[in-house]
Order: sequence, then structure tokens, then C-alpha cells
Amino acid sequence: DTEVTQTPKHLVMGMTNKKSLKCEQHMGHRAMYWYKQKAKKPPELMFVYSYEKLSINESVPSRFSPECPNSSLLNLHLHALQPEDSALYLCASSPYVTPDGTDTQYFGPGTRLTVL
Amino acid sequence: AQSVTQLDSHVSVSEGTPVLLRCNYSSSYSPSLFWYVQHPNKGLQLLLKYTSAATLVKGINGFEAEFKKSETSFHLTKPSAHMSDAAEYFCVVSERISSASKIIFGSGTRLSIRP
Repeated sequence: DTEVTQTPKHLVMGMTNKKSLKCEQHMGHRAMYWYKQKAKKPPELMFVYSYEKLSINESVPSRFSPECPNSSLLNLHLHALQPEDSALYLCASSPYVTPDGTDTQYFGPGTRLTVL
Repeated sequence: AQSVTQLDSHVSVSEGTPVLLRCNYSSSYSPSLFWYVQHPNKGLQLLLKYTSAATLVKGINGFEAEFKKSETSFHLTKPSAHMSDAAEYFCVVSERISSASKIIFGSGTRLSIRP
């Protein structure tokens, strides 16, 4: 298995809803990432998990809550989102973290989120 | 801090003609550089990566890139464009942050292919 999967593909939610995005990889990768991508813009890093521990939080609002239950699974819990949070949410994984940062990230297809 | 600059926001070429997408980087030491492609409403796919083993890097789908330290460039080329190459292309630099790697994206270049 050489891919990163994300579910759901599309999600529409109201501002008072609670929902979760799921990301899974079975490549034995030890680092996993969440990105947010607005239309016609590059992805923006949100969170990085390394060996199942949160290692980077790019000052993301608390209405986004990441969780890494095990080395293959990464969740993003959503609560009280705003319409401006509508975007493509991408998950990525990488095999290991090399000292010189040459690790390659492999991306999933993304979840298209619409907040009404 | 490292950064990448993609010099063209949009490039349009005719099918069968060469493709050149330009990228300049800024780094205080030897960088790790990548090109990713994103087709409409899809995730990102790795095209190729440079990690100092060779300055000319060959990737998938006939793409290649040349690392030129003197020019701080990492331009992406393809000899003959195909309609399926129409997509958004991102030049990326990677750096080590704490116990993880962080990648920094360029602003992207949209490649259009004319029949």
C-alpha cells in the first residue's frame, strides 16, 4: 500500500457542528501532517506529528484539534468553524525525519470542506 | 529562513513544445528541493526531488530539473508538453524544524497547454 487516504472527500457543515476528518497511511511512515489550501493558493502547514507526538502547531485556532491515535492514523476534529475555514484540507506523511530535512512528503487527495 | 520564488504565476505552451517553469530558492546551506504537481481538485503528487546527489534530477512523466547553485535556481523542464500536463506546479524547499521537517511552498505556477 503506497498511498495516503483521506475521508470524507467532501464535507458540508454548519458553524455549530462537530465533525472530524480522517487520514490513514500504511507505509510505516512516522511523520504525518495537516495542511489547509485555499483556492489558487499553495498549501499552508497546520500541524506536524512526529512519532505520534505533536511537534509543530502553526498557531492554528483551537477550533481545529488534531489527534494521532496511532502511527497510521491522523484525525482533525472540527468544532465551531467559520465560513472562512472552507478550504481543501490535505494530509501528508513522510517516512522519517532526516537530520538535513530531506524527508519526502506524500499527500492524500484531500477533503473539500464547506462551512455554511 | 529558506524560501522559494516561482517567477511565473501562469505559463501557457502549445502541445508538443518545451515547458520551462522557473524557481529560485534562498537558503543559507545546501537545500532539499522538490517539485510537486496538483491537478484540479486533487492532492499533490511528487514529480522529483534534489538532495545533492546529482545536479540534474529526472522525475516522472518526462520532467526534469537542474540545480544551479551559482544561480540559486531549480527550474523544471520537459521537452514536449502533453495536454495531461495542464496543472498547478509547486516548487518546494524542505528544512528541519525540531524533530520534524517543514516544507515551504512557492506560490505556484499554473501550466496551460494549447492544442
